[in-house]
Amino acid sequence: QKEVEQNSGPLSVPEGAIASLNCTYSDRGSQSFFWYRQYSGKSPELIMFIYSNGDKEDGRFTAQLNKASQYVSLLIRDSQPSDSATYLCAAVSGDYKLSFGAGTTVTVRA
Amino acid sequence: SAVISQKPSRDICQRGTSLTIQCQVDSQVTMMFWYRQQPGQSLTLIATANQGSEATYESGFVIDKFPISRPNLTFSTLTVSNMSPEDSSIYLCSAEKPQGETSYGYTFGSGTRLTVV
Repeated sequence: QKEVEQNSGPLSVPEGAIASLNCTYSDRGSQSFFWYRQYSGKSPELIMFIYSNGDKEDGRFTAQLNKASQYVSLLIRDSQPSDSATYLCAAVSGDYKLSFGAGTTVTVRA
Repeated sequence: SAVISQKPSRDICQRGTSLTIQCQVDSQVTMMFWYRQQPGQSLTLIATANQGSEATYESGFVIDKFPISRPNLTFSTLTVSNMSPEDSSIYLCSAEKPQGETSYGYTFGSGTRLTVV
């Protein structure tokens, strides 16, 4: 059973719109959650982490965590063509291992 | 956060040979990990590199195929042994936050793109 599930996408949004990415996890013991951005041919780059219920904002990015529903999301506001990438959701278990979702590919149309 | 230098960045190897990938972190880190990312797929954890002791492997990965060393808190190597074309993939090392830091975050090396012919 896959521990972290992402809405499969791909997701195409017009420039300036909001891109919404969703992720669910199965391990209730997971405490910290991460969103990584991966450009084609590059390694993952951490863009957000969250460990408390609620919202966390950083620039155009907002991460949301609902531990009761085991749900994590990422909103990208005012999407730019440079946001076109694959976004990976990850959860940390008690032994500090990261489990990744399959990723959602986002394309921002100019 | 930690900065990781990984090398080689890419290699083309003959089947049956071995390749050793190195990762150097610019600060002491508690945890280091090795991942594999096959084309178009997400990251799969190979093992946790433990400083001063044997690595901890995930299901489906064995020490004979992927021996790992971690002689200190800033360096680790992964060897892909007796390679076959199925080992063609991107291999990534990762480190948790440096010791003493309170911020969270796992940093990745730039990756090694391996092609086995």
